[in-house]
Amino acid sequence: DAKTTQPPSMDCAEGRAANLPCNHSTISGNEYVYWYRQIHSQGPQYIIHGLKNNETNEMASLIITEDRKSSTLILPHATLRDTAVYYCIVRLAGGSTGGSEKLVFGKGMKLTVNP
Amino acid sequence: DSGVTQTPKHLITATGQRVTLRCSPRSGDLSVYWYQQSLDQGLQFLIQYYNGEERAKGNILERFSAQQFPDLHSELNLSSLELGDSALYFCASSVDTGGHSGNTIYFGEGSWLTVV
Repeated sequence: DAKTTQPPSMDCAEGRAANLPCNHSTISGNEYVYWYRQIHSQGPQYIIHGLKNNETNEMASLIITEDRKSSTLILPHATLRDTAVYYCIVRLAGGSTGGSEKLVFGKGMKLTVNP
Repeated sequence: DSGVTQTPKHLITATGQRVTLRCSPRSGDLSVYWYQQSLDQGLQFLIQYYNGEERAKGNILERFSAQQFPDLHSELNLSSLELGDSALYFCASSVDTGGHSGNTIYFGEGSWLTVV
């Protein structure tokens, strides 16, 4: 079962920042927060991930609260091509046990960027 | 382009038939994952292989099987196909060296299977 909660949908105006929230109140210390998106039946696309520090890359920023129970994905200047289903995923780190680090997807959140 | 290659992209077959989906992981990636996405079920994890051995099994039916070959490519075999098996099947790969956390998983573009 997915361990995250996201709103089912969100709208954003083109050119504005899109702030996508995610709750993961039961996250444990060795679990990462990952964000993926899926544009209309294409393969899920990796966006960003983090453990406890805020992260930024060329696509987005990830803000993780100090207690790690929630996070926000920020798309700084949303474009029409950012319209997609966004998945926030808590992923177990396999670590030295060699356990599976599979991704468990929930329903995600549909972001619609409007012109 | 994620570097994960899946073939075929589209496949139409009849009920009761058997098909094989193929996946080439990114260069250097040891783990291969298979996912199924149908309209009403979302993305479901099926199975993971790591360096030729099964590492994790999810909601994979007994009619389905997979393997990973010495060159690390993987095949997903679907047999006795039913209408409900119509779905997008994704392959993904990661380095997943074990003992190293946070390896990113990259997905291919999927294989569309239609069972008629």
